This record gives sequence, C-alpha cells and structure tokens, in this order.
Amino acid sequence: DTGVSQDPRHKITKRGQNVTFRCDPISEHNRLYWYRQTLGQGPEFLTYFQNEAQLEKSRLLSDRFSAERPKGSFSTLEIQRTEQGDSAMYLCASSLETGVGNSPLHFGNGTRLTVT
Amino acid sequence: AQSVSQHNHHVILSEAASLELGCNYSYGGTVNLFWYVQYPGQHLQLLLKYFSGDPLVKGIKGFEAEFIKSKFSFNLRKPSVQWSDTAEYFCAVNAGLTGTYKYIFGTGTRLKVLA
Repeated sequence: DTGVSQDPRHKITKRGQNVTFRCDPISEHNRLYWYRQTLGQGPEFLTYFQNEAQLEKSRLLSDRFSAERPKGSFSTLEIQRTEQGDSAMYLCASSLETGVGNSPLHFGNGTRLTVT
Repeated sequence: AQSVSQHNHHVILSEAASLELGCNYSYGGTVNLFWYVQYPGQHLQLLLKYFSGDPLVKGIKGFEAEFIKSKFSFNLRKPSVQWSDTAEYFCAVNAGLTGTYKYIFGTGTRLKVLA
C-alpha cells in the first residue's frame, strides 16, 4: 500500500488560467473521489468514479470543473478560467468498494490551489 | 439530501480529560458512519467506522463511537485524551446501498489538548 498520491502539492495561478491536478489512487482501488476543502470547513464532495465511469458530480460544481479517469487508474481534475473563489485544498481519495458503501476512504495529502 | 452536523467547532482539554464530540446526520435510511482524524500536516485518516451490528464501535488509539439510531447520532468518545490527540476530527456518512455512495463530511471539530 503506497497510499494515494497527488501532484502537485501546491499550485499558484493567476485568475483566468487553467489548472490540472493529478491523483494516483491505491492500485487495487476501484473508487476514486475528489473533494474540496476550505479553511474551517469539512471536505466538500465534488465527484466520484467507479473504475473509469464518473457516477456522480456535485450540483455545486460549475462547468469550469471537469474530471477524468481514463483507464480506471489515475485521475485528473481540471479547472478552467480559475477564479479567486477556487482557492482551496483539493483532496483525492480512493476506496475498494464491494457494494455496500462501508469501505473507508484513503486520502492523499491534497493539492493546495491559490488563485491570485 | 444527506447532511452531517458537528456542533463543537473548537474543543480545548487538558491531558487525561474525557472527550466526547457530537455528530448528527440527517438521512432516513440505512447509513454507514465514519470518523476521520487529521493530525497537523498530515492527511485524513480513518479512526473508526460503523455499518451494522454492535452500535458501540472501537477504533484506533482508544477511540470509540456509539451509533444511536433514534437520535441520528454517532458521537466520538475517548476516556482520557493525550497531547498527541491534538487534531481535527471529522464525522462522515454515506447511504451506501439505499442512497448515494458519496461520503458527506461534517465541518470538523478542532481539538487541542494541553499538556
């Protein structure tokens, strides 16, 4: 178990630029989740994948956000035309889901995005 | 829609004091419940989980939690805290088979234990 890894750890970008984050889950895990966390708040759900299929996407997520998991392994989260309100910690988590929802999430260290 | 409430945002305790952190959720069906901990500078880690059976579950580092279905609660407890328990604690729920597999988190409780 090498853990969930996220890259980069920090990203500073100017408003209006596009950014892309990568997540490598634990290799045998079939579920992959993206969350966003701001100061003083808990992780906020963005989207999740079962293998390569994106099964759910938060209604709060604007169409500037897109996520992919093309081969059911690593995933990318892209934010287009970044805004200052996008500044947050973006967390990736994975799990080995057997179908009843009781598998715990394993989190990465996150990517901290600062939009100036 | 599911939601999770953690009413204690900041808690300060002295070592050896007892701890209880509240967690309430809103969902009428079967749920899976979790407590996660985030130590300073580290990623979120699982403390314990409940999905069926004995409503009193034990986790790592002496933590336990009790699921009370009638109160929609899943409070976290520890009889005697240590300085190393200083961290942020998050309660989470998912509805599994009867609902969505997304995990909904509370806003967290920041615990500081004084040596």
